[in-house]
Amino acid sequence: AQSVTQPDIHITVSEGASLELRCNYSYGATPYLFWYVQSPGQGLQLLLKYFSGDTLVQGIKGFEAEFKRSQSSFNLRKPSVHWSDAAEYFCAVVRPTGTASKLTFGTGTRLQVTL
Amino acid sequence: EPEVTQTPSHQVTQMGQEVILRCVPISNHLYFYWYRQILGQKVEFLVSFYNNEISEKSEIFDDQFSVERPDGSNFTLKIRSTKLEDSAMYFCASSVWTAGVKETQYFGPGTRLLVL
Repeated sequence: AQSVTQPDIHITVSEGASLELRCNYSYGATPYLFWYVQSPGQGLQLLLKYFSGDTLVQGIKGFEAEFKRSQSSFNLRKPSVHWSDAAEYFCAVVRPTGTASKLTFGTGTRLQVTL
Repeated sequence: EPEVTQTPSHQVTQMGQEVILRCVPISNHLYFYWYRQILGQKVEFLVSFYNNEISEKSEIFDDQFSVERPDGSNFTLKIRSTKLEDSAMYFCASSVWTAGVKETQYFGPGTRLLVL
């Protein structure tokens, strides 16, 4: 069964500092990969996605993620964090089948930004 | 930009009562999903729905749960007899999947259900 691991439960960074959130997946083939963000009391917003091709993908709000097949990782990065980035971040995968399929989520990483 | 909407945003119910959570998916989407997130835990898949039938369901989605698309726009999740452990945030999602187009699921804001 596919699984997603986000090893960091909670991360605190200073505003303006760089950020990297880790995500590792376990699956027999390369799944489709996603990062979602959940602000307090809000729903899940799609940040970015990877299906194939260029392994560095750009998303909204200045985020990017890099797919590394050899490490089964899809880490999320931002060069300079803003206080409004404080939220919970979820990595998720989908089995690349010939039809629509469920998302499997990681446990999430809560980001705190200090001023 | 089109978005998934959900009603109500919050619902409080007594144990044993029936609840219906409502979702309006994005209009041209054909695949619909329900997920839930128990407080402090990860988001879990409940069920997917396509062409008026369930495509896939998880172990969580037992006989107490049902889904329906009663008309051309709404997608509902019914819990027949709520339990304390059903307290969670319930997310609806929708996607459009056609051959050659990779699927992306878009989520609604969620309904927070509290069972007392």
